[in-house]
Amino acid sequence: NAGVMQNPRHLVRRRGQEARLRCSPMKGHSHVYWYRQLPEEGLKFMVYLQKENIIDESGMPKERFSAEFPKEGPSILRIQQVVRGDSAAYFCASSPAHQETQYFGPGTRLLVL
Amino acid sequence: DAKTTQPTSMDCAEGRAANLPCNHSTISGNEYVYWYRQIHSQGPQYIIHGLKNNETNEMASLIITEDRKSSTLILPHATLRDTAVYYCIVRVRGGGATNKLIFGTGTLLAVQP
Repeated sequence: NAGVMQNPRHLVRRRGQEARLRCSPMKGHSHVYWYRQLPEEGLKFMVYLQKENIIDESGMPKERFSAEFPKEGPSILRIQQVVRGDSAAYFCASSPAHQETQYFGPGTRLLVL
Repeated sequence: DAKTTQPTSMDCAEGRAANLPCNHSTISGNEYVYWYRQIHSQGPQYIIHGLKNNETNEMASLIITEDRKSSTLILPHATLRDTAVYYCIVRVRGGGATNKLIFGTGTLLAVQP
């Protein structure tokens, strides 16, 4: 059983460009979570999604950030008009149901020049 | 979710048991104790979780005090590959509104050769 997959593993963008981060949950998992880890800081929750629904987006910045988890395909974390402060590691996790154990992917390292 | 307190760092000799403590004195009755670790530049890895009974799996053992106000993660025979930041997290499992993991600063375990 393949684990949580994230791509790309590394992403370089210039200021003002868009970044799209993809997450494929483990097989059988219908819940996805995104976390961000800024350089030298801890992991911070961003958003929790179930298929086609956003359940909790309390950790998402109010502007430029959005997330989706369509019925078919991976979950997407989209950052519009990136700024240097968006440079971080973005981790996706999945679980089979609400409140169950979350399993993390390897992360996407975003560098904004 | 209840707040946890962990030592900032610990050393352990290779081949010896590593005992990582965690205080969670405000834990409530329906909150579980979870342990994750993050090896440098990788995604967090689930280790083990428990409610009130001691738990053991192929990676580690979790000892929870009778009053549930503290716990200890035990790696029975630490190897160099166990060098990582270890996070103790308490969270509700089953029901409730939030499903996010709140990561503290964790304990940096350095396994010495």
